[in-house]
Amino acid sequence: EDQVTQSPEALRLQEGESSSLNCSYTVSGLRGLFWYRQDPGKGPEFLFTLYSAGEEKEKERLKATLTKKESFLHITAPKPEDSATYLCAVQAMDSNYQLIWGAGTKLIIKP
Amino acid sequence: GAVVSQHPSWVICKSGTSVKIECRSLDFQATTMFWYRQFPKQSLMLMATSNEGSKATYEQGVEKDKFLINHASLTLSTLTVTSAHPEDSSFYICSARDPYRGDTQYFGPGTRLTVL
Repeated sequence: EDQVTQSPEALRLQEGESSSLNCSYTVSGLRGLFWYRQDPGKGPEFLFTLYSAGEEKEKERLKATLTKKESFLHITAPKPEDSATYLCAVQAMDSNYQLIWGAGTKLIIKP
Repeated sequence: GAVVSQHPSWVICKSGTSVKIECRSLDFQATTMFWYRQFPKQSLMLMATSNEGSKATYEQGVEKDKFLINHASLTLSTLTVTSAHPEDSSFYICSARDPYRGDTQYFGPGTRLTVL
């Protein structure tokens, strides 16, 4: 069964304290792995798509990496505005482009 | 980047009435659109998948006669909640798949529905 597990559920960091969020997945055939950011009361905002093991993508303070079993979202020197829930999802080859979602990691950055 | 809009952003209605929510892809053509429901502090729950010009495919447990989905064009999908009841109160979010941007789903801002 296709499944996505994110850890930790919540993470509190001081401003400037770097860390990583984990997304472990099992899928019959991976078409893509997606990272989104969601603020309260808003729709998810697209961050990255990763397609194959070894791939890395960066955007400002965020860097996403992918292996055959998991993905990491590294956040470097975070700022309070990076506080949000970060969602990971996978898309299987044999799906109608549907996403299988993790439960998310709530990130809180204290000034 | 790809932009998806939703209208209205919030709506309050009386029990028994119907409510229509619009989802538009503003700068790309979306062959596939998705409708989600999200409860407080929970992840997104897929309700249905719709392909332009075809009938929507509903997830198990979602009543197709209650949640009517129309995807008449490549840029517009609508969700109509018929005979709404308080238990239908929720945050509804649509997404649109851009086949030219790696099949990424881009999300609308969401619609908060409150049924009195």
